[in-house]
Amino acid sequence: GAGVSQTPSNKVTEKGKYVELRCDPISGHTALYWYRQSLGQGPEFLIYFQGTGAADDSGLPNDRFFAVRPEGSVSTLKIQRTERGDSAVYLCASSLSTGGSTDTQYFGPGTRLTVL
Amino acid sequence: GNSVTQMEGPVTLSEEAFLTINCTYTATGYPSLFWYVQYPGEGLQLLLKATKADDKGSNKGFEATYRKETTSFHLEKGSVQVSDSAVYFCALSGSGGSYIPTFGRGTSLIVHP
Repeated sequence: GAGVSQTPSNKVTEKGKYVELRCDPISGHTALYWYRQSLGQGPEFLIYFQGTGAADDSGLPNDRFFAVRPEGSVSTLKIQRTERGDSAVYLCASSLSTGGSTDTQYFGPGTRLTVL
Repeated sequence: GNSVTQMEGPVTLSEEAFLTINCTYTATGYPSLFWYVQYPGEGLQLLLKATKADDKGSNKGFEATYRKETTSFHLEKGSVQVSDSAVYFCALSGSGGSYIPTFGRGTSLIVHP
């Protein structure tokens, strides 16, 4: 089957605009993660879903960031009032089980967000 | 808090050379340790993992041994190929009851023919 997909692959927006980034996990994967990766850095955790609920959103930097997963599959990361500092690659990953420490996460190709 | 420190890149090698990429970590308890690889234009993918002390993870000729006494998980390969050129990320999870992974900054590997 297909891997994790993310759309769009690139998004350019203006400061202050609203953006939505979409993640399609591997079918049947209950755990879904969002990360942000800045240039020259490793992925930085944002939020983790187990099914439909956000099990851990401690990595969201502020209340401009929000994510949903209403049916337990596709997830959308929403950023309000974008700032230039939000420019980064946003990664999504999914895993089969319950987010245990040994789970293998499967990553999507990422969405490159540029805020002008 | 948890942290992962990797050697800075880029690491530049000739084909068939021996590779070591150093990784050390700070964590409580007994985390699981991972190496991920990101080939140009592709997403991160798991290369290997080890879940307890003295375990050795291996895949595609790469190896790493979980050394709790030195809090290290160095990545090695005996003979690199041009196709190994990529960015390699060391990561941990499962520290202090948290399953949220912590990643290092990544080390770029460039292999010349």
